[in-house]
Amino acid sequence: ETGVTQSPTHLIKTRGQQVTLRCSSQSGHNTVSWYQQALGQGPQFIFQYYREEENGRGNFPPRFSGLQFPNYSSELNVNALELDDSALYLCASSYPGQNYGYTFGSGTRLTVV
Amino acid sequence: AQSVTQPDIHITVSEGASLELRCNYSYGATPYLFWYVQSPGQGLQLLLKYFSGDTLVQGIKGFEAEFKRSQSSFNLRKPSVHWSDAAEYFCAVGVGTNAGKSTFGDGTTLTVKP
Repeated sequence: ETGVTQSPTHLIKTRGQQVTLRCSSQSGHNTVSWYQQALGQGPQFIFQYYREEENGRGNFPPRFSGLQFPNYSSELNVNALELDDSALYLCASSYPGQNYGYTFGSGTRLTVV
Repeated sequence: AQSVTQPDIHITVSEGASLELRCNYSYGATPYLFWYVQSPGQGLQLLLKYFSGDTLVQGIKGFEAEFKRSQSSFNLRKPSVHWSDAAEYFCAVGVGTNAGKSTFGDGTTLTVKP
């Protein structure tokens, strides 16, 4: 099992800029979820992609968007960055079906200044 | 909407002592429940999960958890803590059968004294 790889590990952006975070899942993991983890809090669900289509979204504005690609990679895009977007962004992927657990990446630490 | 409460923000135990981390959930149907562990700067690792059946579930690293529907709880236990167990622990409830849309608690930080 090769796991889930996220890049970059750390990133500093200026308020108002746009950012793209990347996640590479292992082969066969066609379901990927993205979470935002603010300091001192638990992860919050942003959205999920299944077979390249969005499959549910949490309470996040449209400036948070995503893509999933046929090669089991995915992206999280955030436009018009705000200071409150500073957080650890985690992706988690799984095989389809309820009996499979999700494998989390180590995250991207985004700092907005 | 579902929610998860972890009442203890920080717990300190001595190495070799037993451990219980509390988790209470709110969910309208049969919950799918999870415990994860997160070491500093790392992602989350699944310790164990409850979908149905036996209410006492065994996980990795010697952890177990008991689902109590009447108390809406899913407490995590370990009989003897090791120094390497120091980390942050998160309880989560899945949305329906979809573990990838989980709602997490705010975590409990475990410190292990030598």
